[in-house]
Amino acid sequence: EVQLLESGGGLVQPGGSLRLSCVASGFTFRTYAMNWVRQAPGKGLECVSGIVGDGSQTYYADSVKGRFTISRDNSKNTLYLQMNSLRAEDTAFYYCAKDRVPDAAWNIDFWGQGTLVTVSS
Amino acid sequence: DNVMTQSPLSLAVAPGEPASISCRSSQSLLHSRGYNCMDWYLQKPGQPPQLLIYWGSNRASGVPDRFSGSGSGTDFTLRISRVEAEDVGIYYCMQGLQSPPTFGQGTRLEIK
Repeated sequence: EVQLLESGGGLVQPGGSLRLSCVASGFTFRTYAMNWVRQAPGKGLECVSGIVGDGSQTYYADSVKGRFTISRDNSKNTLYLQMNSLRAEDTAFYYCAKDRVPDAAWNIDFWGQGTLVTVSS
Repeated sequence: DNVMTQSPLSLAVAPGEPASISCRSSQSLLHSRGYNCMDWYLQKPGQPPQLLIYWGSNRASGVPDRFSGSGSGTDFTLRISRVEAEDVGIYYCMQGLQSPPTFGQGTRLEIK
């Protein structure tokens, strides 16, 4: 059974930093691209960042470029999102999401339960 | 970024009646390998999204056959042949061909 368990969310002041983690199980982690998708309360979905299985390719939404960094540790089955210079508009649920098949564009098929990041003074 | 435009943004359907949601992409989603990089998701209240349809027309595992997807290139449709109460939620289309992947605004389905 595929499981994705996010952690690291919380309340942070504007300009602050947080690191999100996502521990994966139930599949061969290193094979699949992974994504971070966020959803502000009551709003739609935004793909924030993604990384392929070997870490050689990533993408970032324009809204987070230069502030967020995605990484993965395949030996620990863990995905990370380092978030710096946080702004109020970064407040959202952050979901870890797994791709369905490798090497086939981006294709999310499973989502974790999410972790809430609140940026406020 | 590739802009995805869904319509309608909300609809109310009586149980047993059909429903249809449209999604238009600003760029073609046809992959060089011949499939369309268009997926449909349903987000039920208080839950993360769940995959319904992948590559435009393929039902994900466990998805009832009342859900179907069609379309190619830039225009896609999700159809529910007979709406049930459990289908309530917000439906999103997503393109995965261009980076970053982008979602439509979402379509809220309610039961009359």
